[in-house]
Amino acid sequence: GDSVTQMEGPVTLSEEAFLTINCTYTATGYPSLFWYVQYPGEGLQLLLKATKADDKGSNKGFEATYRKETTSFHLEKGSVQVSDSAVYFCALGGLSGGYQKVTFGIGTKLQVIP
Amino acid sequence: EPEVTQTPSHQVTQMGQEVILRCVPISNHLYFYWYRQILGQKVEFLVSFYNNEISEKSEIFDDQFSVERPDGSNFTLKIRSTKLEDSAMYFCASTGTSGGYRETQYFGPGTRLLVL
Repeated sequence: GDSVTQMEGPVTLSEEAFLTINCTYTATGYPSLFWYVQYPGEGLQLLLKATKADDKGSNKGFEATYRKETTSFHLEKGSVQVSDSAVYFCALGGLSGGYQKVTFGIGTKLQVIP
Repeated sequence: EPEVTQTPSHQVTQMGQEVILRCVPISNHLYFYWYRQILGQKVEFLVSFYNNEISEKSEIFDDQFSVERPDGSNFTLKIRSTKLEDSAMYFCASTGTSGGYRETQYFGPGTRLLVL
């Protein structure tokens, strides 16, 4: 079945540092790939997505590129802020029984310190 | 911007009691989902729902669980007789017109359920 593997945290960075959170996936067919973010005490928010190979999703300074050859969708940001502290979930949207099902990674907690 | 809403935000219940978690999906969406996240673990798919019937359910979604769309706006998850291990954050999600894999699922803020 579909699966998502992402680096486990926590990841602690200083403000303005470069962020990479690795994510790889296993899926049949051609899934869509997502990054969701969960701020403390809140629900899941879509951060960015890519629906086909070589697509780059971007939002709020975050980027991720759909790499079919390496089955990866790593999240990057050039300069993190304290307000980026959250849990980041890599996810894939695949079809199951003709309907979409989202499979999540374990989540990576990011803490940015001033 | 339209959003998925869920009530209550927190619920505490005694083991063996029934609970109903409520969701209002985005108004023109047609596909509805429930997921759960046990503390410290990954978000897990429970069930998908379309056209007033379950389209898929996971092995977690046993006979203690049921879903319903009682009217044109609400989507509910019922746990008939709660167990301690049902304690989790429950997320509702919806997606739009085709339910296909390219569509984005929009998630609600979650209901944190604690079973004592």
